Amino acid sequence: ETGVTQSPTHLIKTRGQQVTLRCSSQSGHNTVSWYQQALGQGPQFIFQYYREEENGRGNFPPRFSGLQFPNYSSELNVNALELDDSALYLCASTTSGSHEQFFGPGTRLTVL
Amino acid sequence: QQQVKQSPQSLIVQKGGIPIINCAYENTAFDYFPWYQQFPGKGPALLIAIRPDVSEKKEGRFTISFNKSAKQFSLHIMDSQPGDSATYFCAAWGGSNYKLTFGKGTLLTVNP
Repeated sequence: ETGVTQSPTHLIKTRGQQVTLRCSSQSGHNTVSWYQQALGQGPQFIFQYYREEENGRGNFPPRFSGLQFPNYSSELNVNALELDDSALYLCASTTSGSHEQFFGPGTRLTVL
Repeated sequence: QQQVKQSPQSLIVQKGGIPIINCAYENTAFDYFPWYQQFPGKGPALLIAIRPDVSEKKEGRFTISFNKSAKQFSLHIMDSQPGDSATYFCAAWGGSNYKLTFGKGTLLTVNP
């Protein structure tokens, strides 16, 4: 059984650019959530996808968007990057109806 | 609005000690309370979780105590080891957004 994987590990962008982060869910998991973790803080929920549709969203602007693919892999897209977007972005997967979320190692995004 | 308050922010104990981390929540719709352990550069890993109909749960050296009336829960680590040094997050699941709400974390250091 493979765990949750994310790519890339690290990324550096400049303000105003766009970025795409990728996640492969744990085998058998059909639900994926994305979280933003600022330095020294707990993860903050961005949104969740189930059956390729967003079915829950946290307090993040529309420039944060996502996709889930038929193989349950997922993308997080962030447009018009701001300095405050610098953070560790975490993907978590689970099965429908379960509360047990399994996190990937994250992608460290730095916006200059 | 911080819905899950965690304390202390940091904690130092000697090997063999019993660190205790406390969390309090506000939303009575929460129905699942996990604890996560995070090492530097890694994603959070699920340690142990409890539902509000249970007052205590033990798994190995980790114990959750839950007080539903006070809306508080805590993590106890028995016979702590230097390898337990990490950041610990409490979280709560519930509400309409299918999300985990995290505390701000506790940095635990276990000295040899």
